[in-house]
Amino acid sequence: AQSVTQLGSHVSVSEGALVLLRCNYSSSVPPYLFWYVQYPNQGLQLLLKYTTGATLVKGINGFEAEFKKSETSFHLTKPSAHMSDAAEYFCAVRGNDYKLSFGAGTTVTVRA
Amino acid sequence: NAGVMQNPRHLVRRRGQEARLRCSPMKGHSHVYWYRQLPEEGLKFMVYLQKENIIDESGMPKERFSAEFPKEGPSILRIQQVVRGDSAAYFCASSPIRLAGVTDTQYFGPGTRLTVL
Repeated sequence: AQSVTQLGSHVSVSEGALVLLRCNYSSSVPPYLFWYVQYPNQGLQLLLKYTTGATLVKGINGFEAEFKKSETSFHLTKPSAHMSDAAEYFCAVRGNDYKLSFGAGTTVTVRA
Repeated sequence: NAGVMQNPRHLVRRRGQEARLRCSPMKGHSHVYWYRQLPEEGLKFMVYLQKENIIDESGMPKERFSAEFPKEGPSILRIQQVVRGDSAAYFCASSPIRLAGVTDTQYFGPGTRLTVL
């Protein structure tokens, strides 16, 4: 079985500052890991995913995440926050089947 | 290529009524998944369907909930005799045909927010 814990339900950053969203997972098999973003009144959009290979994954909008097996983590970062990054972010894990298990989400607000 | 479409976006029902949620997958996608997001929680898997087949409904409540994906038309999630605890956001996702046993990325729709009064 798989599960995800996102540390911090709300994160507030200044424009131009580092964005760091934490995700820890539990999986009984090698995991597939995902970050999705949800803008107000929109569906979930895939930011990036890790399947196999390189542990540092680059996604859209300048985001990247690093898979650390020893820490069972998949934290999401962006070097410089932009106002348009204000949204809710979900980390998800999947095993060998199709069922995604999501964290509770982290809401990001960006201060001017 | 249009994304996953869901309607209605917002649905209000009184206790005891029926709710019907619709999902049209992305063009070329034949796999549909439904997830539910309760307040302050992450999305939870409900059911996985292919055309005219329910593949896995292990996440569906045993009573009042049903899902279908007919040969023609959208996938439907039906909730009979709704109760206040059914108030949630219901998301549909789709993926293309599975290749060599590898499950492809799921693409999500905007969700339907169901409110039960």
